[in-house]
Amino acid sequence: DIVMTQSPDSLAVSLGARATINCKSSQSVLYSSNNKNHLAWYQQKPGQPPKLLIYWASTRESGVPDRFSGSGSGTDFTLTISSLQAEDVAVYYCQHYYSIPFTFGPGTKVDIK
Amino acid sequence: EVQLVESGGGLVQPGGSLRLSCAASGITLSTYALSWVRQAPGKGLEWVAGISGSGATTYYADSVKGRFTISRDNSKNTLYLRINDLRAEDTAVYYCAKNRYDSSYSGIVNWGRGALVTVSS
Repeated sequence: DIVMTQSPDSLAVSLGARATINCKSSQSVLYSSNNKNHLAWYQQKPGQPPKLLIYWASTRESGVPDRFSGSGSGTDFTLTISSLQAEDVAVYYCQHYYSIPFTFGPGTKVDIK
Repeated sequence: EVQLVESGGGLVQPGGSLRLSCAASGITLSTYALSWVRQAPGKGLEWVAGISGSGATTYYADSVKGRFTISRDNSKNTLYLRINDLRAEDTAVYYCAKNRYDSSYSGIVNWGRGALVTVSS
């Protein structure tokens, strides 16, 4: 199984500041047949289901604010919130969809400083 | 707008069984792979099962293989999850999810609001 790790476990950022979350997979999730990284980022607010933010590691889902961006390839990935807003307080998860089982990272909690 | 609505959760005794359902509206499910993901109270997300658009191909996490059965009825636009021999560690919110294409390897796009399953005597 591919193990997903995230860092940090939590972070507190001032409003308007940048937040950076890292995700690492235990093996590459770059699929050679389509040259895509099978990696997604989700946001989950308390009492709500997860919401897709980023797929194929760097493609923003329709309707997601452009302050959210994803980068990375192979085994190392980053989610960046360029200017943190109050409504971004949530837990963020990465997930690979490269091979069964499609494991999630443990999550990173983002708060306002 | 895609809507996924789970039902069938509740309090179940250890060793019991139940079937979760997920009804879709706003979309024809038959052209998409579907998944179940669970979240234990206060914990992270765990992918548990996936199924192809036709229902011919299914996938399971090792932790649930042999006890969970994912299925679908495309004529009813509905996804199911049968859980047998329920254990305390199965206590979780179970989310129904729609994949991007008719492939479990295309990633999850849409999520239902979840159904709570509590296993306790």
